[in-house]
Amino acid sequence: NAGVTQTPKFQVLKTGQSMTLQCAQDMNHEYMSWYRQDPGMGLRLIHYSVGAGITDQGEVPNGYNVSRSTTEDFPLRLLSAAPSQTSVYFCASSYYGNNSPLHFGNGTRLTVT
Amino acid sequence: KNEVEQSPQNLTAQEGEFITINCSYSVGISALHWLQQHPGGGIVSLFMLSSGKKKHGRLIATINIQEKHSSLHITASHPRDSAVYICAGCGGSNYKLTFGKGTLLTVNP
Repeated sequence: NAGVTQTPKFQVLKTGQSMTLQCAQDMNHEYMSWYRQDPGMGLRLIHYSVGAGITDQGEVPNGYNVSRSTTEDFPLRLLSAAPSQTSVYFCASSYYGNNSPLHFGNGTRLTVT
Repeated sequence: KNEVEQSPQNLTAQEGEFITINCSYSVGISALHWLQQHPGGGIVSLFMLSSGKKKHGRLIATINIQEKHSSLHITASHPRDSAVYICAGCGGSNYKLTFGKGTLLTVNP
């Protein structure tokens, strides 16, 4: 198993540009989620999904869109990048339920200038 | 709103010392994750527990449901244990996680 694969590892955008961060998992996990990690803030939930076709907002959803057309993929879209979206982004997945460990991708470091 | 508080924020130890990191959480959180993140690195799940105690090698995690408190212990600490340790609370069936801000552990040789 490859686990959780995130691409790209690094990205620089100009303000107003759009892009998609990719996340794929090959463990047949129902739950997938996107977090951003900022200094002094800890990890914050952006969006999550409990299965194909189902998504919901987390703590900081503004400026981001997600979709879950398959169990494996959960892309995160930035429609019009802003400097406030400069952060490290992590995708995670697990089986649904409180007894399942989380599996994280290696992160995407995004800089918006 | 679920809340998770970690202490201490920073911890420096000498190799071989016994380490304890604490995590307190609010009503509504029914399970807790402990995660490890090395500098510039990815995040690895260490434990997920909703009751009692779990042990993996030199790492031990405990949780007290009544006191809403969890601890992560590292026995015989080693410089390779230097990392940020994060606790995250999971509440209800929607599986939204609330993260603590992390504890930066530095173990000196």
